[in-house]
Amino acid sequence: AQKVTQAQTEISVVEKEDVTLDCVYETRDTTYYLFWYKQPPSGELVFLIRRNSFDEQNEISGRYSWNFQKSTSSFNFTITASQVVDSAVYFCALSEINQAGTALIFGKGTTLSVSS
Amino acid sequence: DTGVSQNPRHKITKRGQNVTFRCDPISEHNRLYWYRQTLGQGPEFLTYFQNEAQLEKSRLLSDRFSAERPKGSFSTLEIQRTEQGDSAMYLCASSYTGGAKTQYFGPGTRLLVL
Repeated sequence: AQKVTQAQTEISVVEKEDVTLDCVYETRDTTYYLFWYKQPPSGELVFLIRRNSFDEQNEISGRYSWNFQKSTSSFNFTITASQVVDSAVYFCALSEINQAGTALIFGKGTTLSVSS
Repeated sequence: DTGVSQNPRHKITKRGQNVTFRCDPISEHNRLYWYRQTLGQGPEFLTYFQNEAQLEKSRLLSDRFSAERPKGSFSTLEIQRTEQGDSAMYLCASSYTGGAKTQYFGPGTRLLVL
């Protein structure tokens, strides 16, 4: 069965610290997609990144970077030089290409608090 | 570019009442999804439409829940005879058709059943 585990429930850091959010997934499919979403206090889920299972290249976008390792079924997210505006709940999600409708399977989320 | 919109943003109702939520997807998107999110949890899939056809329903979608997308544009989610356990955030998302296209979410409707 498909599953996404975000073991870190809450993380607190001080501004300018680097922080890594962990995501471990389970799937029997060889073709799948992984996503990260941010949910600020307003409640709307904001899309951050989408990666497919064939592309293990790490990605960097500004202060954000993602490390995808199929060998350990992990898709970790690092924020460099964190800012107060990064405070939010972050969700990792999985979608299998063969699953009808490609519904997203979410982890329970990691609440990140960045203090000044 | 207009994003996904949902109305109302908040709804308080008494147990046993019916409620209806509306979702307007991004205009070019053929697929529309409904999810439910309870406190401290990630969103859970409820159902999805491709154009006007409802193609999949989760086991979470009990008989009291019904969703429609009559003209393949906006969608409504109705909950009949609400129960306190229905209290949650109801999220709508839309995407292009095709394998695992990125889903873009609306702001959600927060339901509180008293």
